[in-house]
Amino acid sequence: EAGVTQFPSHSVIEKGQTVTLRCDPISGHDNLYWYRRVMGKEIKFLLHFVKESKQDESGMPNNRFLAERTGGTYSTLKVQPAELEDSGVYFCASSQDRGLSYNEQFFGPGTRLTVL
Amino acid sequence: DQQVKQNSPSLSVQEGRISILNCDYTNSMFDYFLWYKKYPAEGPTFLISISSIKDKNEDGRFTVFLNKSAKHLSLHIVPSQPGDSAVYFCAASGGTSYGKLTFGQGTILTVHP
Repeated sequence: EAGVTQFPSHSVIEKGQTVTLRCDPISGHDNLYWYRRVMGKEIKFLLHFVKESKQDESGMPNNRFLAERTGGTYSTLKVQPAELEDSGVYFCASSQDRGLSYNEQFFGPGTRLTVL
Repeated sequence: DQQVKQNSPSLSVQEGRISILNCDYTNSMFDYFLWYKKYPAEGPTFLISISSIKDKNEDGRFTVFLNKSAKHLSLHIVPSQPGDSAVYFCAASGGTSYGKLTFGQGTILTVHP
């Protein structure tokens, strides 16, 4: 079974440009999460999709970030326009809804974003 | 406000000895706790978890202890192996934030042969 995949693995852009990150969850996983780790600090939650609906977007830093999950399969996270503080590693995770209080999340390898 | 804290940025142990990684939390609504392990250029991988109704969970060389009154959990690795060298993240879930994980800053564990 393929794991969570993310594309690209690295992205270097200039301040003010736009970048789109993509995440393909494990097949059959309804839950999809985006997280970000900045400068070796803690991994911070950005948002949570259940199928194509946003369940929780409380971690989105501002309106320069737009996440979509059309059709409930893969998801994209767009940053427009990018700022220096957006640099970091963006992780995607997915989980299967098994009706438990907590469902194990499987993480992708991350996209390292560098804004110059 | 950081709700999950790992106060030790790094830990170095000798192969075969015990590694103890610590984590503190402040949100009493958390009811599920996890440890993730992360190698460079890879995503975090799930290691072990514990529900708030338990105080100990064991899986092979890994044991997690939960002290709810102190809002503290720890991960014990016995015996430690060089392949255990990685960044270990403590994470918590619960309350109104269904599914969302709140992570600590991570502890870099180095196991010397």
